[in-house]
Amino acid sequence: AQTVTQSQPEMSVQEAETVTLSCTYDTSESDYYLFWYKQPPSRQMILVIRQEAYKQQNATENRFSVNFQKAAKSFSLKISDSQLGDAAMYFCAFHSGSARQLTFGSGTQLTVLP
Amino acid sequence: NAGVMQNPRHLVRRRGQEARLRCSPMKGHSHVYWYRQLPEEGLKFMVYLQKENIIDESGMPKERFSAEFPKEGPSILRIQQVVRGDSAAYFCASSPGQGPDEQYFGPGTRLTVT
Repeated sequence: AQTVTQSQPEMSVQEAETVTLSCTYDTSESDYYLFWYKQPPSRQMILVIRQEAYKQQNATENRFSVNFQKAAKSFSLKISDSQLGDAAMYFCAFHSGSARQLTFGSGTQLTVLP
Repeated sequence: NAGVMQNPRHLVRRRGQEARLRCSPMKGHSHVYWYRQLPEEGLKFMVYLQKENIIDESGMPKERFSAEFPKEGPSILRIQQVVRGDSAAYFCASSPGQGPDEQYFGPGTRLTVT
């Protein structure tokens, strides 16, 4: 079974600064996908970024980028130029090629300080 | 293109009653997933359905919980004889096809059992 671990229950960042959220996972599969989802106070789950395991290049979406270290099974999210609207719970999620469901980490609550 | 719709958004039930949660996937999506989020936790997979078929229910409690996705109409998650421990946010997600597609989440139904 796959597991996803987020070791930082809470993080804070000053507005306009950069913050990195950590995620590690465990799997024996070679074909899989990794995601970061954002859950603001509205509780809506919003996809932030995705990474295919077969791609060596790290995914980037505007101010959001990942550091994908496949050998270390690490998938961290970097948020640059943090904005107040980035404050939310962030979940790392794993999706294998063989199983369709997402496996989520326990989340990191990000606070952005003005 | 309307997003994933869930209703009701909030549902209050007394212990022993039945709860019915509805999910309408995005247009063109034939795959539906249900997840449960207990307070202060990440989302946990419950069941994966395609039209008229349950594909994977490995995360569903063996008793009192059932799910369906009929040929016509929304997917339904049904909880019989609810208990206080069923209080949670229930999220539905949909995806279009067979590949490792992103799952698009609905706003969730918050179930409170009194």
